[in-house]
Amino acid sequence: KAGVTQTPRYLIKTRGQQVTLSCSPISGHRSVSWYQQTPGQGLQFLFEYFSETQRNKGNFPGRFSGRQFSNSRSEMNVSTLELGDSALYLCASSYGVGGELFFGEGSRLTVL
Amino acid sequence: AQKVTQAQTEISVVEKEDVTLDCVYETRDTTYYLFWYKQPPSGELVFLIRRNSFDEQNEISGRYSWNFQKSTSSFNFTITASQVVDSAVYFCALSERGGATNKLIFGTGTLLAVQP
Repeated sequence: KAGVTQTPRYLIKTRGQQVTLSCSPISGHRSVSWYQQTPGQGLQFLFEYFSETQRNKGNFPGRFSGRQFSNSRSEMNVSTLELGDSALYLCASSYGVGGELFFGEGSRLTVL
Repeated sequence: AQKVTQAQTEISVVEKEDVTLDCVYETRDTTYYLFWYKQPPSGELVFLIRRNSFDEQNEISGRYSWNFQKSTSSFNFTITASQVVDSAVYFCALSERGGATNKLIFGTGTLLAVQP
């Protein structure tokens, strides 16, 4: 069974640019969540999607947005990048809610 | 407010030693879930256990065991006879709203280094 796939794995951007990260959940999983991991703030919740609907959103500025498609794949977008957006962005999928989350290896974003 | 505290930033042990990772949580919910995840150097978080707030029974899985005590709001994790492969960052996490969400509140993690 294929795991959660995140692309790209590594990327470098400059301040002011925007970035789109992609997440393909495990087949059959309908829920996708996104987390940001930084050395200073640790693991912080970004969004939660279930069947294309955003169910929950973390405390991040409007520059952070996301969506989920009908095939459960999800994307997140960060516009007007700031240095502080440098982080490992982790995607997790699950069949429903409240159970085990399966995480991808993450997309490591560096903003210069 | 909900919060998870892992006071131990780093722990270093020698192989075959037992080690306990501490986790203390705060929540106003009466129904919640607690988790432990392991993060190896590759980056992905690996699920270890989920425990709901109504089940205080301790659990053992191989060399891993968990001690949940509501009275002290703690959910500690013990590795018996540690191995080098156990070296990783371990996160404790809390899910509220009766588990009706995949939003997890993570602790800051404990880096475990097992020396051969």
